[in-house]
Amino acid sequence: QKEVEQDPGPLSVPEGAIVSLNCTYSNSAFQYFMWYRQYSRKGPELLMYTYSSGNKEDGRFTAQVDKSSKYISLFIRDSQPSDSATYLCAMSVDSNYQLIWGAGTKLIIKP
Amino acid sequence: GAVVSQHPSWVICKSGTSVKIECRSLDFQATTMFWYRQFPKQSLMLMATSNEGSKATYEQGVEKDKFLINHASLTLSTLTVTSAHPEDSSFYICSAIGTGAGGNQPQHFGDGTRLSIL
Repeated sequence: QKEVEQDPGPLSVPEGAIVSLNCTYSNSAFQYFMWYRQYSRKGPELLMYTYSSGNKEDGRFTAQVDKSSKYISLFIRDSQPSDSATYLCAMSVDSNYQLIWGAGTKLIIKP
Repeated sequence: GAVVSQHPSWVICKSGTSVKIECRSLDFQATTMFWYRQFPKQSLMLMATSNEGSKATYEQGVEKDKFLINHASLTLSTLTVTSAHPEDSSFYICSAIGTGAGGNQPQHFGDGTRLSIL
């Protein structure tokens, strides 16, 4: 079993829909949780960075962390074709520690 | 803020050539930089971690004589692929962590270097 599980997709939704992306993990020591967006042939771009449990909102993006269930989510509201990319979850025990990555979910927003 | 620049973005060279990739933090000082390798449709694989002024720490299975890392300043780290061969062709990405207020900072990534060895 991998430390971090993420459905690789692809996930295809119509423009304007609410998108829900998820990761589960097994290591209860993880405290820092990140979501990155990666376009083809580009480096990952940090979208959300959260510590411990709770919600964090930034524009159309909301990140949720449920440590009791070892489950994190990223919600995208009013999805746009420009949101089409691969979304990677990552987590670590400490901010300076090695990141443990999910496989990435390929998201396709259809106009 | 937190911009990481990586150069070159794409390089094609003959087998046996050594290739140097630069990673710069443009608007912050990076105490730690990371080098990753990514194969198509796969997630990132950490190769090594480097701290300014000290030797890099390599992950298991990564040849340190093959992938030379130098972190000479708080804004620059370089990865040199020595005597590159076709199996070294990949997408190489660097990231950096700054020394921001509040201590804990996330990794910020460069745009990657696509290396093709003929």
